Amino acid sequence: EVQLVQSGGRVVRPGGSLRLSCAVSGFTFDNHQMSWVRQAPGKGLEWVAGINWNGGNTGYGDSVKGRFTISRDNAKNSLYLQMNSLRVEDTALYYCARSIGSFHFGGFEDYWGQGTLVTVSS
Amino acid sequence: IVLTQSPATLSLSPGERATLSCRASQNVSSYLVWYRQKPGQAPRLLIYDASNRATGIPARFSGSGSGTDFTLTISSLEPEDFAVYYCQQRANWPTFGGGTQVEIK
Repeated sequence: EVQLVQSGGRVVRPGGSLRLSCAVSGFTFDNHQMSWVRQAPGKGLEWVAGINWNGGNTGYGDSVKGRFTISRDNAKNSLYLQMNSLRVEDTALYYCARSIGSFHFGGFEDYWGQGTLVTVSS
Repeated sequence: IVLTQSPATLSLSPGERATLSCRASQNVSSYLVWYRQKPGQAPRLLIYDASNRATGIPARFSGSGSGTDFTLTISSLEPEDFAVYYCQQRANWPTFGGGTQVEIK
């Protein structure tokens, strides 16, 4: 059974940092690209970041570029999102997701974690 | 690439046909995905590459379009279909549309 178990969400002050984790099981992790997607309270989905199988290619949404870093540890079957210089508008439920295919020529997210809530507030 | 979904809200009754639109600000070829999200749940993949149903998705869901204009059609609404639907483009780093809420009339 494919599982993505997330952790790391909490309340943090504006300007602070936080690292989210996503531990996966039930599939060969290093065969897949992975993504982070977020959803602000009562709002729509926003693709945050993506990473290829070995971490050699990453991409970011415009609103987080330069502040967030996606990474992975294939030996630990884990995905991470390092979030720096956090802003109030980063408050959201963050999902990790398995990505199939390319980020640029098709593909999709087929399995999702349960979500972890990040609240940025003073 | 900006995706614009319309309408924002669709009010229909069970058994009716739903037609949802997604328009891209530039050509995304057929690299368009549809998801459904029920309250309190993660999104679920419905359609990829504009018209291919994902595994386990019933035939009442169909997708069409290419280039900049896409449509998701639900031929006969079931109770579980009242939810929010998002399109996503995969021609470049992904982006999502703003969503269409399908509500019970």
